[in-house]
Amino acid sequence: GAVVSQHPSRVICKSGTSVKIECRSLDFQATTMFWYRQFPKKSLMLMATSNEGSKATYEQGVEKDKFLINHASLTLSTLTVTSAHPEDSSFYICSARGRRLANTIYFGEGSWLTVV
Amino acid sequence: AQKVTQAQTEISVVEKEDVTLDCVYETRDTTYYLFWYKQPPSGELVFLIRRNSFDEQNEISGRYSWNFQKSTSSFNFTITASQVVDSAVYFCALTSGTYKYIFGTGTRLKVLA
Repeated sequence: GAVVSQHPSRVICKSGTSVKIECRSLDFQATTMFWYRQFPKKSLMLMATSNEGSKATYEQGVEKDKFLINHASLTLSTLTVTSAHPEDSSFYICSARGRRLANTIYFGEGSWLTVV
Repeated sequence: AQKVTQAQTEISVVEKEDVTLDCVYETRDTTYYLFWYKQPPSGELVFLIRRNSFDEQNEISGRYSWNFQKSTSSFNFTITASQVVDSAVYFCALTSGTYKYIFGTGTRLKVLA
């Protein structure tokens, strides 16, 4: 299957700082990338959808100014959590879809964010 | 609106037992895709299967089998002769034209030695 890689896998940051998480499609061009958030023992909640070269579409209730998503190229999308608070601590996971992958999307390994 | 329901929050079985994880979905789309993913403690989502709405054939892959029934909007997953390594959270997901995945709340499977 296709490979999607996330970095960093774990990050700890101080309250008030910003942290960036990268999502890369390693062996295909990702026309669309999705960012999900997962609270402990909960399901995955879609945060936003990003198409290469255009602004991300955020789900209802997700703060656009807090969770900045950039999809600058066909292989890279970034999620920046700005002015992080402890309640932003969560597991963030991206997924990507390519032109030739039909209706299957592939997930990255996820990133554990802890805000202290 | 689309919805995926996994009514079983947690299941515990003894090794070698068979176990079925239930998934019920709702959608108004005629073309849609159903998935099962495994999430071990490390967190990554491992793709297990994809099934489109026009293919109701059941599928078997080793100890895994899936039963897709459109009449009851269900896509159940059975693990035969469970093993400790099967312990994980299993998610059922649904997507259609927008490719947004709607996930169920997951079923935590514990296989005891």
